[in-house]
Amino acid sequence: EADIYQTPRYLVIGTGKKITLECSQTMGHDKMYWYQQDPGMELHLIHYSYGVNSTEKGDLSSESTVSRIRTEHFPLTLESARPSHTSQYLCASSESHWHTDTQYFGPGTRLTVL
Amino acid sequence: AQTVTQSQPEMSVQEAETVTLSCTYDTSESDYYLFWYKQPPSRQMILVIRQEAYKQQNATENRFSVNFQKAAKSFSLKISDSQLGDAAMYFCAYRSASDKLIFGTGTRLQVFP
Repeated sequence: EADIYQTPRYLVIGTGKKITLECSQTMGHDKMYWYQQDPGMELHLIHYSYGVNSTEKGDLSSESTVSRIRTEHFPLTLESARPSHTSQYLCASSESHWHTDTQYFGPGTRLTVL
Repeated sequence: AQTVTQSQPEMSVQEAETVTLSCTYDTSESDYYLFWYKQPPSRQMILVIRQEAYKQQNATENRFSVNFQKAAKSFSLKISDSQLGDAAMYFCAYRSASDKLIFGTGTRLQVFP
């Protein structure tokens, strides 16, 4: 079944550690996105990609980085985690065509940095 | 810049009753899409319904329907025959030609038996 996956679902880590949040989709979508969401709040776009080797920063400034080496994979990396990075991170994907590019979301990774 | 406003932080409804969630947006574009997403507690965000701005007919999906008023820039969601499983955070979102999704602050819906 076509879907979008995120691992881990929950992560508690100490300050200064390097972390990578994984996102994979089997929907054949070209476009992928990362959003940050604080509890009970709206989503803010932090990164997006329109295809392999294409990455752009979103509207909310983030210290994280992303890569897109394969169409189905869009990992997000924090080189040195800090408590201010504590949040939920949602990955999404969509088709390329304007009229069909509804975004579908993964289950999210809830990150806590101590 | 486009903005999306959800003026109801919380709403509640009795099971089997009908509830309407409000959403307004601001844009100077003529072609865009509007969405309602549902995010249950600790669960995945899922698409509830989508509306193309160029279509005058209101979108419907089973018990969910929208009232799209383009001139007023209003996009409300009506949930009929509410069920306990409808309890969630509901986000209104706008997608412009630049492709980015802009979300409202959400409305938390409680459903009482």
